[in-house]
Amino acid sequence: GENVEQHPSTLSVQEGDSAVIKCTYSDSASNYFPWYKQELGKRPQLIIDIRSNVGEKKDQRIAVTLNKTAKHFSLHITETQPEDSAVYFCAASLTGNQFYFGTGTSLTVIP
Amino acid sequence: GAVVSQHPSWVICKSGTSVKIECRSLDFQATTMFWYRQFPKQSLMLMATSNEGSKATYEQGVEKDKFLINHASLTLSTLTVTSAHPEDSSFYICSAREHRVPRGAFFGQGTRLTVV
Repeated sequence: GENVEQHPSTLSVQEGDSAVIKCTYSDSASNYFPWYKQELGKRPQLIIDIRSNVGEKKDQRIAVTLNKTAKHFSLHITETQPEDSAVYFCAASLTGNQFYFGTGTSLTVIP
Repeated sequence: GAVVSQHPSWVICKSGTSVKIECRSLDFQATTMFWYRQFPKQSLMLMATSNEGSKATYEQGVEKDKFLINHASLTLSTLTVTSAHPEDSSFYICSAREHRVPRGAFFGQGTRLTVV
């Protein structure tokens, strides 16, 4: 099956700085890559996603890039705010079924 | 957006008993639902894919007889942890796929299971 690796596992940034989280996947057939934000004890919330026919997607302060050749994708958060502090998970999926998650990144934004 | 409701949110049970967790899609039909397990400070591990009207597909290493999944309707899937043991204590989360919405799956709020 698919194997998704995520780095770093923890990340601390000053408020206003940017944060970058990187993921790699193993199955070249995967074509859908969502990113989820999970606050403690709560359900994961979809924050942005990208499909394999697109190289980059942006939504306000959040952007995701995808390199299909290298099989890696990244989440970029600019102008970070304390409320961005959470655990972020990347995932890879084939046609939206069987989501395989990365190991998570605990992001702390220091005021 | 699509809403997925999971019940109960938290359950404590004795070793040897069985526990049923429900996952409902409230405002859409979900032909496919997924069950995940999450240990503290760890990622979501896919346990099985639940298809309405057919047998669930389990991931490697997940015991079918231990984690019984039933997806009897387009809005409800259940996970039954049979003969629970303390090592089954975990956070179980379901998700459901809304096929009309091209944005992946939506998650339930999760069930924290504690086996004593």
